[in-house]
Amino acid sequence: AQSVAQPEDQVNVAEGNPLTVKCTYSVSGNPYLFWYVQYPNRGLQFLLKYITGDNLVKGSYGFEAEFNKSQTSFHLKKPSALVSDSALYFCAVRDDLGGSQGNLIFGKGTKLSVKP
Amino acid sequence: ETGVTQTPRHLVMGMTNKKSLKCEQHLGHNAMYWYKQSAKKPLELMFVYSLEERVENNSVPSRFSPECPNSSHLFLHLHTLQPEDSALYLCASSPREALGEQFFGPGTRLTVL
Repeated sequence: AQSVAQPEDQVNVAEGNPLTVKCTYSVSGNPYLFWYVQYPNRGLQFLLKYITGDNLVKGSYGFEAEFNKSQTSFHLKKPSALVSDSALYFCAVRDDLGGSQGNLIFGKGTKLSVKP
Repeated sequence: ETGVTQTPRHLVMGMTNKKSLKCEQHLGHNAMYWYKQSAKKPLELMFVYSLEERVENNSVPSRFSPECPNSSHLFLHLHTLQPEDSALYLCASSPREALGEQFFGPGTRLTVL
């Protein structure tokens, strides 16, 4: 069965410092991995995805994520955090096996708080 | 703007009311989804439609009834809801079922009294 874990409910960083939001996954086949961000009173916005190829994926707003197959992780990173990055971040995974396993499974979300 | 719109944005209803949520996508996608987002819980996939046919129903109570009249529109009909159904209901679309990233609407904040 597919699953996604975001071990931290909240991450606090100072503006200008690097940030990491953690995600680990479990799938039967090969993983397709996604990060989404949700600002207050808004829907989820796509940030980036890993399908195949280079393990380091670059996305919107200066975010990047690194796929690590041996650790089954896909942590979200940014070299220098902004106050405007404060939001709820969701990791999602789907299997490449198709059928209902192709539906996205979301983590419970990590609240990122960036202080000036 | 993601190209997916939802109306209304906020809805308050009593347990005996009947209401409908509407979702519209202008992206030419063939798959549409309903999710329920409750506080401190992962997003729950409720329904999946592909080319206007329901392909997934994750054991959702019958008081939630989806309708997909065409590939651009998706409805969620609500009747005799319970207070625990209060949540943010999100609609999403993707080019095909289980392919590519999903694009989400802003959601409908539902409160059941």
